[in-house]
Amino acid sequence: GAGVSQSPRYKVTKRGQDVTLRCDPISSHATLYWYQQALGQGPEFLTYFNYEAQPDKSGLPSDRFSAERPEGSISTLTIQRTEQRDSAMYRCASSLVGSSGEQFFGPGTRLTVL
Amino acid sequence: AQSVTQLGSHVSVSEGALVLLRCNYSSSVPPYLFWYVQYPNQGLQLLLKYTSAATLVKGINGFEAEFKKSETSFHLTKPSAHMSDAAEYFCAARRDAGNKLTFGGGTRVLVKP
Repeated sequence: GAGVSQSPRYKVTKRGQDVTLRCDPISSHATLYWYQQALGQGPEFLTYFNYEAQPDKSGLPSDRFSAERPEGSISTLTIQRTEQRDSAMYRCASSLVGSSGEQFFGPGTRLTVL
Repeated sequence: AQSVTQLGSHVSVSEGALVLLRCNYSSSVPPYLFWYVQYPNQGLQLLLKYTSAATLVKGINGFEAEFKKSETSFHLTKPSAHMSDAAEYFCAARRDAGNKLTFGGGTRVLVKP
């Protein structure tokens, strides 16, 4: 697509429920990133993919968080058994492989856990 | 580990005045450095980036930033603020060997008429 898209834009869920967030990167971009941005803070790295491979999961805060990119395009971020501290903006970005680091960001998904 | 510090979470400037946003990074090796802007309900948009080609980097919307290795700084400036510059600005760094961006805490800019 022309830009990075994310869905849903807003998600409200109850504590203990599972949620899945979706990211559709720029079509020519092989690298995809997930970031978590708490209110009033900068984005923090969660994980990234090069095509289907997931070389770095070091930023995932717990084993309740997982991400997939099975066909090297669209990616999903799943949070199981959500907790109130998971409330944040979740941002997806994509870039060309081997680029100088310019990442193009989507509009984000605002997750609220009640 | 890489860290990025932005001095001042809020900055208020008058329209037409200089905008100066401060960013310092911690690294023994100069990283790639970026400034992003975030408008309400929009994604982060790249303003400019430093990739070791030139220490003074010009970006979009009249912004520029100067890389100073001796000060480990990458401050963002604009000579004359416009009302449309009201937004949140993030400084970020990326190590050569890694892909992830490390962001500062952000600085929200308010422009007064």
